[in-house]
Amino acid sequence: DAGVIQSPRHEVTEMGQEVTLRCKPISGHDYLFWYRQTMMRGLELLIYFNNNVPIDDSGMPEDRFSAKMPNASFSTLKIQPSEPRDSAVYFCASSPLEPGREKLFFGSGTQLSVL
Amino acid sequence: AQTVTQSQPEMSVQEAETVTLSCTYDTSENNYYLFWYKQPPSRQMILVIRQEAYKQQNATENRFSVNFQKAAKSFSLKISDSQLGDTAMYFCAFMKSFGSNYKLTFGKGTLLTVNP
Repeated sequence: DAGVIQSPRHEVTEMGQEVTLRCKPISGHDYLFWYRQTMMRGLELLIYFNNNVPIDDSGMPEDRFSAKMPNASFSTLKIQPSEPRDSAVYFCASSPLEPGREKLFFGSGTQLSVL
Repeated sequence: AQTVTQSQPEMSVQEAETVTLSCTYDTSENNYYLFWYKQPPSRQMILVIRQEAYKQQNATENRFSVNFQKAAKSFSLKISDSQLGDTAMYFCAFMKSFGSNYKLTFGKGTLLTVNP
């Protein structure tokens, strides 16, 4: 299996622009997570899905952030409009249903820089 | 809410030696999982080892082992025969075993450097 695939690997954009991050989870996994990593706050869960349904989005910072999972093999995290404080590494992760749901497999992340 | 504390921001070790990374956590839960993740310069988060709280036996994975002290809420990682490829950030993490709050809570990380 290719693992969790994220694109792009790097994204540089200007303040106010829309940014879309993409994720393809491991085939057969039922859970998908979006995490954000910054120096100040470390790794934080933004949102997670179970069978394509958002379960907990309490970590989404504000209405500028939205996430979708239209099917089992694809998810997006959108920021509109982007701000410099959104600069971070965004990770997507997936995990299977029991047993082993606690074993998250992470993608390589998207490094987002908002100028 | 759960918290995870890694008190060593940076550590270094000589190749082939043994090093121990510390982690403490705070929770009122009785059943949970603890993890160590490795983040090398490539940025990918890699699961190193996992411990289930109800198991008294410490988990081991090749050169990696943990010392899990449930009463003390301590979960340290021991790396034996350190290799240059072990150079990375190491994150301790916590997850509840049950319920709908299905999230990993991470510590701030320890940067480990293995010197030749």
